[in-house]
Order: sequence, then structure tokens, then C-alpha cells
Amino acid sequence: QQQVKQSPQSLIVQKGGISIINCAYENTAFDYFPWYQQFPGKGPALLIAIRPDVSEKKEGRFTISFNKSAKQFSLHIMDSQPGDSATYFCAASRPGANNLFFGTGTRLTVIP
Amino acid sequence: NAGVTQTPKFRILKIGQSMTLQCTQDMNHNYMYWYRQDPGMGLKLIYYSVGAGITDKGEVPNGYNVSRSTTEDFPLRLELAAPSQTSVYFCASSLLPASGLYEQYFGPGTRLTVT
Repeated sequence: QQQVKQSPQSLIVQKGGISIINCAYENTAFDYFPWYQQFPGKGPALLIAIRPDVSEKKEGRFTISFNKSAKQFSLHIMDSQPGDSATYFCAASRPGANNLFFGTGTRLTVIP
Repeated sequence: NAGVTQTPKFRILKIGQSMTLQCTQDMNHNYMYWYRQDPGMGLKLIYYSVGAGITDKGEVPNGYNVSRSTTEDFPLRLELAAPSQTSVYFCASSLLPASGLYEQYFGPGTRLTVT
């Protein structure tokens, strides 16, 4: 049973465009929502994270939008660059948990 | 500061063979994790440890064993390899639980094929 559902599975965007990846969850106890970025042949690395007490968090070209009532959150990459080409994972965790529940991943390709 | 290191990078096993995947971190992190990554399935937690001598099962522990005798090392043991264990294995560590604002640091992975 997938605790966090992620879409799309793959995404192709032109350089300079906006990349949008969506995630949804059911467990209302989740209170921590990170996004990880993984380049080919490497392990995932934390990109940006949000708590549900805010609806948006921005770091440079990367923004998380969070909709608590819809139980959805999304990653927006503005002015997408070829160097952003990677697999992106959303994840979630709840208080007291010792682990993260990951989405299935989105492979992003940014075309020059 | 090497972070999280894993050995080997690649391995091919025959069905029924055993092996140990090594993981070491030099950040003095309490928490360590083993994940497997399968295409289209994301990362699934196999086992985790909250400190030396303490381990617990994750979502997909069957066919694996772990031990944590030191803070730095968290080896993953496959006793009787099966084709279903073909995957990429990632070790990770964090200072405190993943539910906090504490980043999980991942190693580079071990690609295992069982034939």
C-alpha cells in the first residue's frame, strides 16, 4: 500500500519552463513533507521540505505548495534547467515515526 | 568527511548465495536506514536502527538481516538470495528521527543482481 502517491511518473519540460510534480497522501497524522532529488548513479539528497503549518515554501527556483484540506503537496521548479534533470521523490513522515514514506518518483528531463 | 559510504557498488549473486552489504557513516548519526529502490516503486524501508545495538523492521524486511554493533556501521545481510532481491540498495543516516527536520543522508547505493 503506497502511503504517498506521486505523479507524473515522468515529465519532459523545455528549458526555462515550469516543472510541476504532485503528491497526495491519506494519513492526516503526517506532518513533515520533504522532497528528495536523485541524479543517475547517486543516492537521493534532500532538496526542500515543508511542515503543514505553512502553505508554501520557496528556496531559489524550487517551491513546495501545500494544501492541507486536499491532502496534497507539489513541487514547482521555475525556470527549469537541463541540470535539474533528475528523479524527484516526495516523502512524508508523522510525529514519533522513525522513517519516511516515499512516493514512487518522477523522472524529470529538461530539454535544452 | 566522507558522509555515508557503501560497498560494493555492484554485485551479481547466484540464487541461494549469501552476502553482506556494508554501510559506514562518519557523521556520528544515531539513526541509520536501509532502503531498496525498484523501478516505479520508490524507496522502501527494509530495516532501521536508532542506535548501536537497536534495530527494527521496516516495510519490507523479509529475506534480510541487520546488526548495529557500532554507531558508524550498519551492515545488511542477505542469507539466501532470490531474484526478487534484485534491486538498488541505499543506506542512509540521520542525526535524529526522519520525522523531524533532520535530513537523511544517503550513500551512493549498491546495485545487486540475483540470477
